[in-house]
Amino acid sequence: NAGVTQTPKFQVLKTGQSMTLQCAQDMNHEYMSWYRQDPGMGLRLIHYSVGAGITDQGEVPNGYNVSRSTTEDFPLRLLSAAPSQTSVYFCASVRVPGSYGYTFGSGTRLTVV
Amino acid sequence: RKEVEQDPGPFNVPEGATVAFNCTYSNSASQSFFWYRQDCRKEPKLLMSVYSSGNEDGRFTAQLNRASQYISLLIRDSKLSDSATYLCVVNNKYSGGGADGLTFGKGTHLIIQP
Repeated sequence: NAGVTQTPKFQVLKTGQSMTLQCAQDMNHEYMSWYRQDPGMGLRLIHYSVGAGITDQGEVPNGYNVSRSTTEDFPLRLLSAAPSQTSVYFCASVRVPGSYGYTFGSGTRLTVV
Repeated sequence: RKEVEQDPGPFNVPEGATVAFNCTYSNSASQSFFWYRQDCRKEPKLLMSVYSSGNEDGRFTAQLNRASQYISLLIRDSKLSDSATYLCVVNNKYSGGGADGLTFGKGTHLIIQP
């Protein structure tokens, strides 16, 4: 099994550009989430989904959109990139939240100039 | 008060030594607890869950003290490959349908020296 796959691994955007970070899992996990990790800070939840067709906001949702049309895929869209969105983005999934550890993707390193 | 607090370190420890670090959490209703390991520029990976009775996995032992609201991780006979950042993670919700519930500490940086 591939686990959680994120693409791209690296991306440089100009301020104001939009893009989509892809996340796919092949473990049939219902629960998926997006985090960002910044230096000196813990991982912060952006958006999450408890199943296909259901999404909700996390701690830092502004500037990001998500959708969940299938169990496998959970893309994160940056609507109009800002330098404050320079970060490392991790997608994660778990079968039952709180019951066991999450599986993380390898991350996307995004720089907005 | 921050929800999950960890000493950021770095902890510089000679190979073969025993090292321990703690994590404190502020929400007394927290339900489940984990230690994750994160290598430089990599994703976090689950190291172990933390149970009330304490649990051990090889050289690693995790303890939970609900009364004092802290979690500990003990590493015995440390190896060079143990060098990493260790994240304390606390979950305040059991099931989905609500907020994620996971709160991550900022991590403790461990350096094992030869």
